[in-house]
Amino acid sequence: GDSVTQMEGPVTLSEEAFLTINCTYTATGYPSLFWYVQYPGEGLQLLLKATKADDKGSNKGFEATYRKETTSFHLEKGSVQVSDSAVYFCALSDPRVSGTYKYIFGTGTRLKVLA
Amino acid sequence: GAVVSQHPSRVICKSGTSVKIECRSLDFQATTMFWYRQFPKQSLMLMATSNEGSKATYEQGVEKDKFLINHASLTLSTLTVTSAHPEDSSFYICSARATPSVRNSPLHFGNGTRLTVT
Repeated sequence: GDSVTQMEGPVTLSEEAFLTINCTYTATGYPSLFWYVQYPGEGLQLLLKATKADDKGSNKGFEATYRKETTSFHLEKGSVQVSDSAVYFCALSDPRVSGTYKYIFGTGTRLKVLA
Repeated sequence: GAVVSQHPSRVICKSGTSVKIECRSLDFQATTMFWYRQFPKQSLMLMATSNEGSKATYEQGVEKDKFLINHASLTLSTLTVTSAHPEDSSFYICSARATPSVRNSPLHFGNGTRLTVT
């Protein structure tokens, strides 16, 4: 079945450092890919998405490119801030395969940015 | 837009009692809502898919008699944890997708409910 694999955390960076959080997926169809962010004690917020190969999603300085050839959707940011400290989830959805709009989430990667 | 309100944000109850959690889509209609459970430092586990006007679809291993789901309107789904036990303590999160759904529309999440059963 479909699955999402994320790099294990926690990831600890200094402010203004470059961030990469790896995400790879397996899917039988052509899923849409998402990154969600969860701040402490809160639900998930959509950060960015990409719906087809070579699409680049971007928001708040974060970017991720849908790479079909490597089945990846790595999250990047050029200069992180303390306020970026959160848990980041990679997810996919392909209702054409599953028949529903269920999302499959990765295990989440905790990011801690130090001032 | 696309706000999902979840209430309460935090609840403490005694073992054996029942707790109801509400999930409302404030500015859109949602025929389908999803209920997740999140264990500490772990990912989200889909518990059930809530369908307006019909029975919920539960994931394998989730007790439907213990986690009662009611989706009475296009903007409200409720999860009731019946006869709660300490092992039910967890973070419960609901999500919804606007209706009519399109393939690439994202899920919108509530802020979650921290349930503690003593």
